[in-house]
Amino acid sequence: SAVISQKPSRDICQRGTSLTIQCQVDSQVTMMFWYRQQPGQSLTLIATANQGSEATYESGFVIDKFPISRPNLTFSTLTVSNMSPEDSSIYLCSVENLDRVTEAFFGQGTRLTVV
Amino acid sequence: GQQVMQIPQYQHVQEGEDFTTYCNSSTTLSNIQWYKQRPGGHPVFLIQLVKSGEVKKQKRLTFQFGEAKKNSSLHITATQTTDVGTYFCAGKAGGGNKLTFGTGTQLKVEL
Repeated sequence: SAVISQKPSRDICQRGTSLTIQCQVDSQVTMMFWYRQQPGQSLTLIATANQGSEATYESGFVIDKFPISRPNLTFSTLTVSNMSPEDSSIYLCSVENLDRVTEAFFGQGTRLTVV
Repeated sequence: GQQVMQIPQYQHVQEGEDFTTYCNSSTTLSNIQWYKQRPGGHPVFLIQLVKSGEVKKQKRLTFQFGEAKKNSSLHITATQTTDVGTYFCAGKAGGGNKLTFGTGTQLKVEL
């Protein structure tokens, strides 16, 4: 299994500002993903964080709004830029190791409120 | 794009009653996974099914993958208050790495 540390666990931010969320894994992993989960809803994939190259974004999500970094196999960041109240949600980091098991491990999540 | 629907959306049961959630994908899946998310928590992996018609059991939980690999079910026998949470199915299609989550079923268990 993988142990994931996601920070911050929660934040309240002013509209128009940006927040960077960090995801640190205790071992090297093949795949890292970022999800959004709005209250009472399912998980929606934002993007796949690719090590050493640009992230792969899903339909409806763009790099200017959600820039992602992945400098190595154990760390990634997601920035929520120019925030509006509609960005209030839980953001989750997830990892998988395709060469061993395919289950996804999740960080504790970041509960973001934009006021 | 791929859609994964679950029914029911909510289920309230008395402790000791059985519970079933059904998962249906718009496309054929290479595998189906099930996750449990407790209130305020993050999704936790329960099981993965890969083969057509596969059935797996974990104590009171029984998981099934349909013959066409487009649907799945999770059945809990004799629910307990510790079963409370939202159950998500999630699947991958077309050999890709993207995991698409179902809409989820929220289970509440009353004494």
